[in-house]
Amino acid sequence: AQSVAQPEDQVNVAEGNPLTVKCTYSVSGNPYLFWYVQYPNRGLQFLLKYITGDNLVKGSYGFEAEFNKSQTSFHLKKPSALVSDSALYFCAVRGYSGAGSYQLTFGKGTKLSVIP
Amino acid sequence: GAVVSQHPSWVICKSGTSVKIECRSLDFQATTMFWYRQFPKQSLMLMATSNEGSKATYEQGVEKDKFLINHASLTLSTLTVTSAHPEDSSFYICSARHRDRGRGETQYFGPGTRLLVL
Repeated sequence: AQSVAQPEDQVNVAEGNPLTVKCTYSVSGNPYLFWYVQYPNRGLQFLLKYITGDNLVKGSYGFEAEFNKSQTSFHLKKPSALVSDSALYFCAVRGYSGAGSYQLTFGKGTKLSVIP
Repeated sequence: GAVVSQHPSWVICKSGTSVKIECRSLDFQATTMFWYRQFPKQSLMLMATSNEGSKATYEQGVEKDKFLINHASLTLSTLTVTSAHPEDSSFYICSARHRDRGRGETQYFGPGTRLLVL
């Protein structure tokens, strides 16, 4: 079975500084990896995904993520954090759930707080 | 990106009543939709996978008679919480699977429905 670990419950960063939100995964076969962001009382918004190709994936709102196969990691990054980036971030991996179907397995989420 | 809507965004109901939540893919067809439940400060818990024209597949521990799912068209799935009780109060989120041309699949999520059962 697939799994996702987000080792940090919370990440605090000063506005303008680079940010990193960590994610490691475990899955059989080639990994399909995703990052989503959730603002309070809202659903999840898709940020970016990795399927194949370049290890550095660029996504929405200036975010990017680096796929590292040897470390089984997919850390989310942004060069310069904004206060509006403060939200809950979820890493997810797509895995096979049987009978020809796939589903996403989510990490527990990391709360990002950007301090003015 | 693809847009998924949910209705209502929030609902308050009395214990024992049934509540229906709609999930729509607005600009694409979705043969597969998913229903999740999220508790405060926790991750999403998959409840069931909804396939158009067939019965939903429920995750272990989710009562199918309690949470009725219907996926009657390629753009609409509904979740009905039957005989709701206070412990059913939660944030329910749906998502729809979108096939990106040449780039695999992506799940797009609705804005969620906050259910409060009194």
